[in-house]
Amino acid sequence: AQSVTQLDSHVSVSEGTPVLLRCNYSSSYSPSLFWYVQHPNKGLQLLLKYTSAATLVKGINGFEAEFKKSETSFHLTKPSAHMSDAAEYFCVVSVTRIHSNYQLIWGAGTKLIIKP
Amino acid sequence: GAGVSQSPRYKVAKRGQDVALRCDPISGHVSLFWYQQALGQGPEFLTYFQNEAQLDKSGLPSDRFFAERPEGSVSTLKIQRTQQEDSAVYLCASSAGGRVNEQFFGPGTRLTVL
Repeated sequence: AQSVTQLDSHVSVSEGTPVLLRCNYSSSYSPSLFWYVQHPNKGLQLLLKYTSAATLVKGINGFEAEFKKSETSFHLTKPSAHMSDAAEYFCVVSVTRIHSNYQLIWGAGTKLIIKP
Repeated sequence: GAGVSQSPRYKVAKRGQDVALRCDPISGHVSLFWYQQALGQGPEFLTYFQNEAQLDKSGLPSDRFFAERPEGSVSTLKIQRTQQEDSAVYLCASSAGGRVNEQFFGPGTRLTVL
């Protein structure tokens, strides 16, 4: 069965310092993996996605993630945090179901707090 | 349209009341998804439409939940005889289709059942 574990419920960093949000997945197949961001009172927005091409994926707003099959990880990083990065981040794995449908299995989320 | 829209944005219902939540997907998007997001949790899948066909409703928590998309565009999620545990944000997403295509999310409807 597919699952996603986000290892930290909250991460707090100072503005200008690196960000690391950790995600481990479990999948029987070659997974497709995503990171979504949710700002308060706003809709979910796709940051980046991994679809079995390059293992290092670059997304919007300076974020990137590296797919490591041996570690079953897909951690999200950013070299320098900005105040506008404060939000909830979700790691997501895609599951192929019936009728060629796919379903997204979501992690519980990591709240990123940026200290001035 | 420019994005996925949902209405109402907020809904307060008394226990036992029926509610209807609307989703307008991005024009031309074949796939439409409904999710339920409880406070402090990630979204959980409810149901999936491909055009007007409801291909997967395995995530609907009970037979009080019903979704439709009769013309393959706008979708309505109906909850009958609401209970307090139904309180959550209900998210709608649409996609051009396919396994790795991005899902575009609406702002959600926050339902509070008193």
